[in-house]
Amino acid sequence: GAGVSQTPSNKVTEKGKYVELRCDPISGHTALYWYRQSLGQGPEFLIYFQGTGAADDSGLPNDRFFAVRPEGSVSTLKIQRTERGDSAVYLCASRAVTNTGELFFGEGSRLTVL
Amino acid sequence: AQRVTQPEKLLSVFKGAPVELKCNYSYSGSPELFWYVQYSRQRLQLLLRHISRESIKGFTADLNKGETSFHLKKPFAQEEDSAMYYCALNAGGTSYGKLTFGQGTILTVHP
Repeated sequence: GAGVSQTPSNKVTEKGKYVELRCDPISGHTALYWYRQSLGQGPEFLIYFQGTGAADDSGLPNDRFFAVRPEGSVSTLKIQRTERGDSAVYLCASRAVTNTGELFFGEGSRLTVL
Repeated sequence: AQRVTQPEKLLSVFKGAPVELKCNYSYSGSPELFWYVQYSRQRLQLLLRHISRESIKGFTADLNKGETSFHLKKPFAQEEDSAMYYCALNAGGTSYGKLTFGQGTILTVHP
């Protein structure tokens, strides 16, 4: 595809449920990022992948959050035992290794935990 | 720890007026700063970065290390400039692209 693709665009779930959010980066981009944007706030860094490995997961808020990128392309953000405070827009971004600075963002997955 | 502050949540100007969106940062190292923009119903996208010293859509931003600021300016605002603007700091070291964003400023340009 032409840009970063995220699915689902909207997800409504109940407290305590498990959720998976998917990101398909721009082809050839080896760097992939997940950010979380709460209402009225700027995006907050969660995790960064370089290839298949998580190079920096320091932004993950707790062990209920986990992300994988098994083949170095598509990534899945997994949230266990969701809480109402997890409600936010989850943004994925990718970057070419030869590119300095520009992150290409997806449209985001809006998660609502009831 | 790094921090980015955008003191104005909302900014309104009339078409043709100058506009300045403020951004201040705190970071002990050598910062790399960006402005990202989100137009209505579009995804977040890069507007400009300080290292390139370029002007995009008439916008410029100068890094002032003494004042730790990176304000975004445009001499004559246009209606199509109405959007959400985020200032961001790259301080990730080896984690390049680990950005710290400000809270954002909603710019409205009235006809």
